[in-house]
Amino acid sequence: GESVGLHLPTLSVQEGDNSIINCAYSNSASDYFIWYKQESGKGPQFIIDIRSNMDKRQGQRVTVLLNKTVKHLSLQIAATQPGDSAVYFCAENTNSGAGSYQLTFGKGTKLSVIP
Amino acid sequence: EPEVTQTPSHQVTQMGQEVILRCVPISNHLYFYWYRQILGQKVEFLVSFYNNEISEKSEIFDDQFSVERPDGSNFTLKIRSTKLEDSAMYFCASSLTSPDSGANVLTFGAGSRLTVL
Repeated sequence: GESVGLHLPTLSVQEGDNSIINCAYSNSASDYFIWYKQESGKGPQFIIDIRSNMDKRQGQRVTVLLNKTVKHLSLQIAATQPGDSAVYFCAENTNSGAGSYQLTFGKGTKLSVIP
Repeated sequence: EPEVTQTPSHQVTQMGQEVILRCVPISNHLYFYWYRQILGQKVEFLVSFYNNEISEKSEIFDDQFSVERPDGSNFTLKIRSTKLEDSAMYFCASSLTSPDSGANVLTFGAGSRLTVL
């Protein structure tokens, strides 16, 4: 079946550097994408989202890029801080064609920030 | 900031027992969800709930599972006759908008860890 996946399971970056977390999706019917951050012992926390009619969206220190041609999603974190250390999940909201919309999560990338 | 709260944070149960996980969604949200995450694996959709009935459910959500909104604030997940493979973190979530709105932001609770022995 189609699924959301991640290129890199772990990522270590120096504090102050920029981080880029990648995600590949295979379901062309996906129309909405979300990045979640999950800190240890906590639930997923919304970071930023993007609709399929956009290719870039910026938030505070975060940018999401969507390349529908290659079905690729990325999360860029500027000036990474120790508090950014967490597991990052991409998720896609897909209409299965039967009126069913579900969030499908990727496996996650663990971001470790080196002080 | 409004939160989704879940209880208990951790429950240990014997195989075959029934467990009820409780959630208090954000008060003005209309859509409610349960997801689960087996250790080291993806967050998986279980069920969505709207207007006092199940909207969608995944293949995981079989007859062993049920959900209920017994009053105006709580949303529960009942797991009957628990199995070892039910051990996971169960996340409740709620949203103001519908899943097909094109901007369905879910707010997740901190999760309830279920350990089946």
